Amino acid sequence: QVQLQESGPGLVKPSETLSLTCTVSGGSISSYYWSWIRQPPGKGLEWIANIYYSGSTNYNPSFKSRVTISVDTSKNQFSLKVRSVTAADTAVYYCARGGPVTRFDYWGQGILVTVSS
Amino acid sequence: DIQMTQSPSSLSASVGDRVTIACRASQSINTYLNWYQQKPGKAPKLLIYAASSLQSGVPSRFSGSGSGTDFTLTISSLQPEDFATYYCQQSYSIPLTFGPGTKVDIK
Repeated sequence: QVQLQESGPGLVKPSETLSLTCTVSGGSISSYYWSWIRQPPGKGLEWIANIYYSGSTNYNPSFKSRVTISVDTSKNQFSLKVRSVTAADTAVYYCARGGPVTRFDYWGQGILVTVSS
Repeated sequence: DIQMTQSPSSLSASVGDRVTIACRASQSINTYLNWYQQKPGKAPKLLIYAASSLQSGVPSRFSGSGSGTDFTLTISSLQPEDFATYYCQQSYSIPLTFGPGTKVDIK
């Protein structure tokens, strides 16, 4: 059974960089798309970016190049960086398996990241 | 971007009721439409993919239909564990987008 686990700081200061890692267990990161999705408190779901195991990426234009997604196949991990964060970036961040023309069939439990000084 | 809308935004229903949730895409997405269920404090769970395919392990009371721009999620007989928020999501084009959600609560 594939399992995903997000890790990273739960508190980030405004203007700094949010960095999260997703560790995939129970299966290989190869041959799939992997995504980051976030959900502000009490709101809906927003897709941020995806990466294929080979390293090709897609980003949500609404993040205006503040975001970088990367993969480390040797560690079965993929990561997200969001630069210049503001309070609007406060959200539960989920990692998930899936991307274009596929479905998000496995999800991490989510990690709440609060942007505050 | 493809905009996804859902109706209703919320509904109240009783155990045993048949429940239908609609999802509309702002342009044709063929059948690249997925449905998720989310309970408070939990990650979303995939119910239906490719508009009408039931994800493994999901009860058969859940079904999906539609193609192009109009889609439907149906729960044939609502169970206590089905009270949750439901989201549709298009995987046809980047950026991938979700509907705003439909909250199903107890009447």
